Amino acid sequence: KAGVTQTPRYLIKTRGQQVTLSCSPISGHRSVSWYQQTPGQGLQFLFEYFSETQRNKGNFPGRFSGRQFSNSRSEMNVSTLELGDSALYLCASSVGDRELNEQFFGPGTRLTVL
Amino acid sequence: GENVEQHPSTLSVQEGDSAVIKCTYSDSASNYFPWYKQELGKRPQLIIDIRSNVGEKKDQRIAVTLNKTAKHFSLHITETQPEDSAVYFCARGDYKLSFGAGTTVTVRA
Repeated sequence: KAGVTQTPRYLIKTRGQQVTLSCSPISGHRSVSWYQQTPGQGLQFLFEYFSETQRNKGNFPGRFSGRQFSNSRSEMNVSTLELGDSALYLCASSVGDRELNEQFFGPGTRLTVL
Repeated sequence: GENVEQHPSTLSVQEGDSAVIKCTYSDSASNYFPWYKQELGKRPQLIIDIRSNVGEKKDQRIAVTLNKTAKHFSLHITETQPEDSAVYFCARGDYKLSFGAGTTVTVRA
């Protein structure tokens, strides 16, 4: 099976702009979670989508949003970018059962905000 | 209630020695405890996980122990090798995962 893929891998934006990141899960996985990784902060949970619906949400401002399509692919959008949004954004897919299971991570999108 | 405290933040061990990383949590609803390994420039990968109805689990040189009463769980790596050098993250979850801040493990040859 192909692994989780993310596009683009690298992105440079300026403050105030908006950005859209994409994640394609492993075939058959219905859950996609998004994380922000910064040095010293570990992985911070953004949100999780399951069957095109946001099932869980972390503690990020409303500038961070997402969606999931019928083929389970997911996008994450960040509006009005701030310098502090510079980070590695990882998505992870899992089967999506009620019980938590192994999450398979993508390679990440490195976002730099200037 | 969602925070996971992970210690130590850095760990340097001699090749062949053991490495132990400990995590504590406060949310009693946690029932799933995975450990992820992230090598430099690569994605996190699951190395072992444990559920709340089990106290210990082993997989070759790696073991995880869970004390639900004390709300802590630990990763044990025995006979460390240079390829064990990486950042290790613990996590806890009920319906979503919360990660610790990570431990950078360096195995000295």
